[in-house]
Amino acid sequence: KNEVEQSPQNLTAQEGEFITINCSYSVGISALHWLQQHPGGGIVSLFMLSSGKKKHGRLIATINIQEKHSSLHITASHPRDSAVYICAVRLMDSNYQLIWGAGTKLIIKP
Amino acid sequence: NAGVTQTPKFQVLKTGQSMTLQCAQDMNHEYMSWYRQDPGMGLRLIHYSVGAGITDQGEVPNGYNVSRSTTEDFPLRLLSAAPSQTSVYFCASSLAGTGLNEQFFGPGTRLTVL
Repeated sequence: KNEVEQSPQNLTAQEGEFITINCSYSVGISALHWLQQHPGGGIVSLFMLSSGKKKHGRLIATINIQEKHSSLHITASHPRDSAVYICAVRLMDSNYQLIWGAGTKLIIKP
Repeated sequence: NAGVTQTPKFQVLKTGQSMTLQCAQDMNHEYMSWYRQDPGMGLRLIHYSVGAGITDQGEVPNGYNVSRSTTEDFPLRLLSAAPSQTSVYFCASSLAGTGLNEQFFGPGTRLTVL
């Protein structure tokens, strides 16, 4: 069993829909990252969470430490949101190493 | 700031050839790392460095060497390329020490080993 699991693996939605991507993990963590990988391959950090909720524009990330679960939400989705969204966790006993999920491929149709 | 730069963007090697993937950052970050990304899998850590002169192995270090002679540069060397090393390679950097550091990624190098 992978230590970090994302669901769904693939998601296709219509423009304007509310999107939820989930990340579950089985290890003790000090932080959780959400990143976006563009179709061209570039990877950009979206959020870094250790508790609660963060919001940036139409993106919202939440984390529940007790349930070992995080969600990334996109409101009023747009075709430019089409990308792979990756969850990664920083282990409790490490300042350096991340364990990565396999990613969720999101396609937003106009 | 250029951020994290990687060269080359594309490379084709024959089995047994050696080469070096270059990575540089201009943000004075202590922590640098190399990942490989294969279809359907998460990023896997190859090697990382917590500062100049200090390197350590990640999850999949075999077949790769690194060195960190300066804060800015972190080259990845393939000693004798194998088809299993066909992948996309990403270099990343971040500030070190607190455990809560945003990672900055280079644009990637797509390597094909024939």
